[in-house]
Amino acid sequence: GESVGLHLPTLSVQEGDNSIINCAYSNSASDYFIWYKQESGKGPQFIIDIRSNMDKRQGQRVTVLLNKTVKHLSLQIAATQPGDSAVYFCAETPPPGFQKLVFGTGTRLLVSP
Amino acid sequence: GAGVSQSPRYKVAKRGQDVALRCDPISGHVSLFWYQQALGQGPEFLTYFQNEAQLDKSGLPSDRFFAERPEGSVSTLKIQRTQQEDSAVYLCASSPGREQPQHFGDGTRLSIL
Repeated sequence: GESVGLHLPTLSVQEGDNSIINCAYSNSASDYFIWYKQESGKGPQFIIDIRSNMDKRQGQRVTVLLNKTVKHLSLQIAATQPGDSAVYFCAETPPPGFQKLVFGTGTRLLVSP
Repeated sequence: GAGVSQSPRYKVAKRGQDVALRCDPISGHVSLFWYQQALGQGPEFLTYFQNEAQLDKSGLPSDRFFAERPEGSVSTLKIQRTQQEDSAVYLCASSPGREQPQHFGDGTRLSIL
């Protein structure tokens, strides 16, 4: 089927490595940020979120870091598995309204066994 | 539990025809969003509902695009007089409210011939 992210930046890692995916967001007034995983033919799947009053949040095997000074988000995936292979998007909720999501460019993660 | 459901999954229409895309959000979710995703890109915001009220339609590309959510649950995105540039995946998302994750359906892939 069609692929999401045909010409996206790609991060290739070995199974078991830790992965770090970076994202620059655009609006310094955004107050909420989300990371999504998208597989071909599927909608974006929620991974983890963080509010602007935090700089770090941990989930199961994932950590999100927020650096508001340079408008940078990162997603760290521990012990990456082949099932983690997908396109990853960060998204922000800018004013006005702080409701709609504005998505970043996306990064394709390829995990080799 | 049930996620966001979209129908049809695929739609092929001839240029100039009208199409209607349906979204069933997660039960109880107040907020409903429509996004358009072109091949190789991140989703782009179209419109947002809080219950039955359409609070933001700033992303609708033209007046050929119309969305409704008359009873605050199911939503329909209608595109009149379709053009080839309307070909894309149309994604619906719902959330309980602000600073809560938006959960996406798997989208409707629209192809205009």
